[in-house]
Amino acid sequence: QQPVQSPQAVILREGEDAVINCSSSKALYSVHWYRQKHGEAPVFLMILLKGGEQKGHEKISASFNEKKQQSSLYLTASQLSYSGTYFCGTRMTTDSWGKLQFGAGTQVVVTP
Amino acid sequence: NAGVTQTPKFQVLKTGQSMTLQCAQDMNHEYMSWYRQDPGMGLRLIHYSVGAGITDQGEVPNGYNVSRSTTEDFPLRLLSAAPSQTSVYFCASSYSSAGPGELFFGEGSRLTVL
Repeated sequence: QQPVQSPQAVILREGEDAVINCSSSKALYSVHWYRQKHGEAPVFLMILLKGGEQKGHEKISASFNEKKQQSSLYLTASQLSYSGTYFCGTRMTTDSWGKLQFGAGTQVVVTP
Repeated sequence: NAGVTQTPKFQVLKTGQSMTLQCAQDMNHEYMSWYRQDPGMGLRLIHYSVGAGITDQGEVPNGYNVSRSTTEDFPLRLLSAAPSQTSVYFCASSYSSAGPGELFFGEGSRLTVL
C-alpha cells in the first residue's frame, strides 16, 4: 500500500522553511526520502529506521515517528536547488523486506 | 563505473507488441527493482529481485515479466503491450544485505504504446 504524502505541492521563497509529511496505515520498518528534478532520475536523500531517529542532509532533515507511522521531511532555509519533487518510500514490517513503495510525491518550487 | 544503465531510452510500440526493457548495473548490487512513473501517481513498484534467481512482485506486476539470471542484469518484459503501459520506467539497484538501502536509479526509459 502506497504511503500518503502531504501537501501535494508547496511554493516557497528562498530562505523559507517547509515540512513534507508521509504517513502509512501499516507499521513501518523504514522510511526513505528521494528528490527528483524534472526530467531526471530520483536521487537518494536519506533513510530512517524505526526508532524515532532523525537525520540530516545539508539543511534537509527528517524525523520518523514509528508509533504514528509517520515521517516528516524538513526543508530549512530553502535554496533554489531544493526545487523538485520529493518522494517518500516505505518498507512495512509485514511486507517482504524487498518491497519499497513510494508515495505520489510533493512538488516543491523555490522562488528567488 | 557506469552505474545503472537502461536501454532503450525511448520506445514506441503498437498495442499487442512485445518488448524488453534492459537494465544492467556494474556495482555488484544484490537488489534490483523496476518502477513505473505516471503523472500524479509517483513511483509504483512493478517487480524486484533480491539476488540472482530470486524475483518477487511489487504493486503493479500485471502485464510484466522479469527474470534475474545474473547479478548484473534485470530485464523487464512486456508480453503484449497495452496503452495503459505508457509510462516512464525506472530501474534501480541497491547494495543489500538486509533490504534496499540507497537506491541508484537509471536514467529511465520512456515507453509509448499506441
